[in-house]
Amino acid sequence: AQTVTQSQPEMSVQEAETVTLSCTYDTSESNYYLFWYKQPPSRQMILVIRQEAYKQQNATENRFSVNFQKAAKSFSLKISDSQLGDTAMYFCAFGLIGAGSYQLTFGKGTKLSVIP
Amino acid sequence: DAMVIQNPRYQVTQFGKPVTLSCSQTLNHNVMYWYQQKSSQAPKLLFHYYDKDFNNEADTPDNFQSRRPNTSFCFLDIRSPGLGDAAMYLCATSSIGQPTNEKLFFGSGTQLSVL
Repeated sequence: AQTVTQSQPEMSVQEAETVTLSCTYDTSESNYYLFWYKQPPSRQMILVIRQEAYKQQNATENRFSVNFQKAAKSFSLKISDSQLGDTAMYFCAFGLIGAGSYQLTFGKGTKLSVIP
Repeated sequence: DAMVIQNPRYQVTQFGKPVTLSCSQTLNHNVMYWYQQKSSQAPKLLFHYYDKDFNNEADTPDNFQSRRPNTSFCFLDIRSPGLGDAAMYLCATSSIGQPTNEKLFFGSGTQLSVL
């Protein structure tokens, strides 16, 4: 079984500053996906960024980037130039594809507050 | 532009009274999932359909059932809701094998209250 650990229950950052959210996972699999999902107060789960484990290059998506350390089983999210709209719960998720479907395991989340 | 649609947004039911939550999708994805998310917790997978094949998680209570009459619709039935079933229920879809779609698309969720 896979486990995902987010060690920071809550974080805050000043608007326009940079913040890094931590995530570690445990697995014996070699091929998998990692995700960061954002859940604002509206409760809609929105994909922020995705990383394929076989890719060494870290994924980036505008102001969002990851630091993927496969050997260390670490997958942190960096948010640059934080904006008020980034205030949300952030979930790290580990994904396996099995029998045509995604088996997704979520961490417990980090609540991020962006302060004006 | 809505792709995964959940109705209603808020649902109130009485203890023990059966309730059905609905999910529809315009993406033509072959997999549909139901997650339960209790307050301040991570989403927990209840079950999923791969086409018409139903896959139940081992720890999903028998009180929870699901139906998928066609590709577009999936329903979550709670036969006898208890107070502990109050939660946000999230529907999601995926389509494996299409690189741009290798992720889960979530609906906005249905917040269930049990009185």
